[in-house]
Amino acid sequence: AQKVTQAQTEISVVEKEDVTLDCVYETRDTTYYLFWYKQPPSGELVFLIRRNSFDEQNEISGRYSWNFQKSTSSFNFTITASQVVDSAVYFCALSRSGTYKYIFGTGTRLKVLA
Amino acid sequence: SAVISQKPSRDICQRGTSLTIQCQVDSQVTMMFWYRQQPGQSLTLIATANQGSEATYESGFVIDKFPISRPNLTFSTLTVSNMSPEDSSIYLCSVEGGRVYGYTFGSGTRLTVV
Repeated sequence: AQKVTQAQTEISVVEKEDVTLDCVYETRDTTYYLFWYKQPPSGELVFLIRRNSFDEQNEISGRYSWNFQKSTSSFNFTITASQVVDSAVYFCALSRSGTYKYIFGTGTRLKVLA
Repeated sequence: SAVISQKPSRDICQRGTSLTIQCQVDSQVTMMFWYRQQPGQSLTLIATANQGSEATYESGFVIDKFPISRPNLTFSTLTVSNMSPEDSSIYLCSVEGGRVYGYTFGSGTRLTVV
């Protein structure tokens, strides 16, 4: 069975702190995709990154970085020098190759305090 | 990636009534997806809507409660029928955004049933 676990329900940090959001997944597939989405208070889901299972290179995009480790089935997301605008719920998701179904984690609510 | 316009953005409805949510995409897409996000919860796929065929519903969701239309390749509607307070959720439509962007989500419809 496939599963995505985001153990951190809520995290609060002070602006400019670095913060890491954890994501652990379970799958028996060898080919799969992992995603991170941001859901600000307005409710829309904003795509952040898609990573396939064969690409373990870490990714950096501005203040965002992602650490994908198949050995520990983790796909963690780090925000460097957090800002108040980063306050949102962040979802990690998993999908099987060739299918459209996402398995979402329960989300981590990040609060960045000024 | 595709741009999705979803409306209404929010509504407050009386129990026993129905609400139809519209999802318009700025490009032709084969598959459109409807998700539900109950308060404080993750996203759950309701159904997949293909143009020209009946929607495919996930376990726990039935056509009588959530009828879906897909009249063309850029538009879909989801109706929440005979509503009860338990239907209070955010409903989101989604389309495939391509290999780079993953799935694109609409801004969501925040439904409150009183």
